[in-house]
Amino acid sequence: EAGVTQFPSHSVIEKGQTVTLRCDPISGHDNLYWYRRVMGKEIKFLLHFVKESKQDESGMPNNRFLAERTGGTYSTLKVQPAELEDSGVYFCASRGSPLHFGNGTRLTVT
Amino acid sequence: GQNIDQPTEMTATEGAIVQINCTYQTSGFNGLFWYQQHAGEAPTFLSYNVLDGLEEKGRFSSFLSRSKGYSYLLLKELQMKDSASYLCAVLDSNYQLIWGAGTKLIIKP
Repeated sequence: EAGVTQFPSHSVIEKGQTVTLRCDPISGHDNLYWYRRVMGKEIKFLLHFVKESKQDESGMPNNRFLAERTGGTYSTLKVQPAELEDSGVYFCASRGSPLHFGNGTRLTVT
Repeated sequence: GQNIDQPTEMTATEGAIVQINCTYQTSGFNGLFWYQQHAGEAPTFLSYNVLDGLEEKGRFSSFLSRSKGYSYLLLKELQMKDSASYLCAVLDSNYQLIWGAGTKLIIKP
């Protein structure tokens, strides 16, 4: 089966710009998770979708981050406007057992 | 609160054996994962334990004791490519992954 795919693999933007990250989970996986690892720190949970509904978004850092999952298939995570501290690697995972991770999007805000 | 503890850094010699410990305190337990992560890359799955005991998979083994809130990852016949961070994570009762900060393993020739 195809794995979890994320796009783009790397994004470099300037402070104040907008970036949208995309995640395509494994087909049929209703549960989709976003995580972020800021340089040198542990991976942090951002939010959890069950189909198109946000089950838990307690990890979203602030209102500059907006996640959507229209139709319960792929998900997007938009950062608007981006700040320097948003730099890191953003991972998406869909739930089987174990969690299946995408390769991540490395976001660099300059 | 929820807490995962593992050593920050360990050093071992090529060809040797190393044990990376993880202790946890979480609200509920639905399994414990070990992931390997090379710098700048996504974590890759190593093992999943939900029952007590030792699970062996090639050079890597993982042990779990739920009553003690304890797990370890055992790496045998260490190779230079095993230099990486090893992440312990627990799936709590809400299926949220609670991550440890990771153990950086340095392999010396």
